[in-house]
Amino acid sequence: KQEVTQIPAALSVPEGENLVLNCSFTDSAIYNLQWFRQDPGKGLTSLLLIQSSQREQTSGRLNASLDKSSGRSTLYIAASQPGDSATYLCAGRRDDKIIFGKGTRLHILP
Amino acid sequence: NAGVMQNPRHLVRRRGQEARLRCSPMKGHSHVYWYRQLPEEGLKFMVYLQKENIIDESGMPKERFSAEFPKEGPSILRIQQVVRGDSAAYFCASSTDYSTYNEQFFGPGTRLTVL
Repeated sequence: KQEVTQIPAALSVPEGENLVLNCSFTDSAIYNLQWFRQDPGKGLTSLLLIQSSQREQTSGRLNASLDKSSGRSTLYIAASQPGDSATYLCAGRRDDKIIFGKGTRLHILP
Repeated sequence: NAGVMQNPRHLVRRRGQEARLRCSPMKGHSHVYWYRQLPEEGLKFMVYLQKENIIDESGMPKERFSAEFPKEGPSILRIQQVVRGDSAAYFCASSTDYSTYNEQFFGPGTRLTVL
């Protein structure tokens, strides 16, 4: 059974710092790994999707990596801004369903 | 090209009433997925449908919940005799077809509150 774990559950950092969010998954046979952003009371915004054959994806200040052999993914956020404050969800695709972690609540201190 | 649409965005029901949640997939998408996010919990898969067919309902509660995706019109998630534990955000996603490389695109969600 696929499980996705995100540590830490919450994180507060000063504005301008670089930071890394961690995600681990138990089933290495995932098809892809996706990072989402969710603002309070809002829907999901897809940030980056890494196919199983890829190792990383980049978009602006965001970089996501995937290591299937170790069952880990990281989301790197450079030069953090207060607008980055949100919950970040890691999710692995297996068959027809996406398995989500519970998320990391990120608070960027101005 | 509009994204996945869900309505209503907010729904309030009293215990014992029925809740109907609607999802219109992106244009050209024929596959729909429903997920539920309980308070302080991660999103969990409920059901996967194609037009007129339920493909995978392994995440659906055994009672009171049903889903359909008719040939015409939106997909409907129906909850009968709602209880307080059904209060959650329900998200719909759609994709073009079943392929491990096809991304699922998510709607804004319907937030159900059961009084």
